[in-house]
Amino acid sequence: GENVEQHPSTLSVQEGDSAVIKCTYSDSASNYFPWYKQELGKRPQLIIDIRSNVGEKKDQRIAVTLNKTAKHFSLHITETQPEDSAVYFCAASKGGSYIPTFGRGTSLIVHP
Amino acid sequence: GAGVSQSPSNKVTEKGKDVELRCDPISGHTALYWYRQSLGQGLEFLIYFQGNSAPDKSGLPSDRFSAERTGGSVSTLTIQRTQQEDSAVYLCASSFYSGGEYFGPGTRLLVL
Repeated sequence: GENVEQHPSTLSVQEGDSAVIKCTYSDSASNYFPWYKQELGKRPQLIIDIRSNVGEKKDQRIAVTLNKTAKHFSLHITETQPEDSAVYFCAASKGGSYIPTFGRGTSLIVHP
Repeated sequence: GAGVSQSPSNKVTEKGKDVELRCDPISGHTALYWYRQSLGQGLEFLIYFQGNSAPDKSGLPSDRFSAERTGGSVSTLTIQRTQQEDSAVYLCASSFYSGGEYFGPGTRLLVL
């Protein structure tokens, strides 16, 4: 089955810096890669996703890149703000009737 | 529109009792997932419903856990003879056939 590795487990940055979280996957049939943000005590929320037919997608300060050959994808947050502090989860899915596989999460701390 | 809703938001029960957790997915979403999240941990997959197909129960930790989805909409997760290790947040999510998941607020279960 699919295996998703996520790094780092904890990331501490200063406000205004950039943050990068990386995930690797094992199943080359995976074609859908969402990212979720979970603030303390709240539900995970889908913040951005990418499909295997594109290499990069951007939404304001967040972007996701995908390298299908290397089987890895990354979340990039620029100009970080304290409200970006949360746990971020990546996932990989083959879409359709397949269950997504989640990474273990990255705790991002943005210091003001 | 309305998001995924879950009830109850909190449940305290005694060891050995049965509990039922309810999930109302987003209207029109064909897929419904149940996850369990212990404090500070990742998302543990429990069960997956997709349309009228047989559910994928591969994540259920024991035969004390069961779930059903009536009419392709509302789902109920039942835990029989609860144990203290069942204490966690139970999250429900729904999605379109091949899209990202939208999570409910979760039910916090505490087994005394």
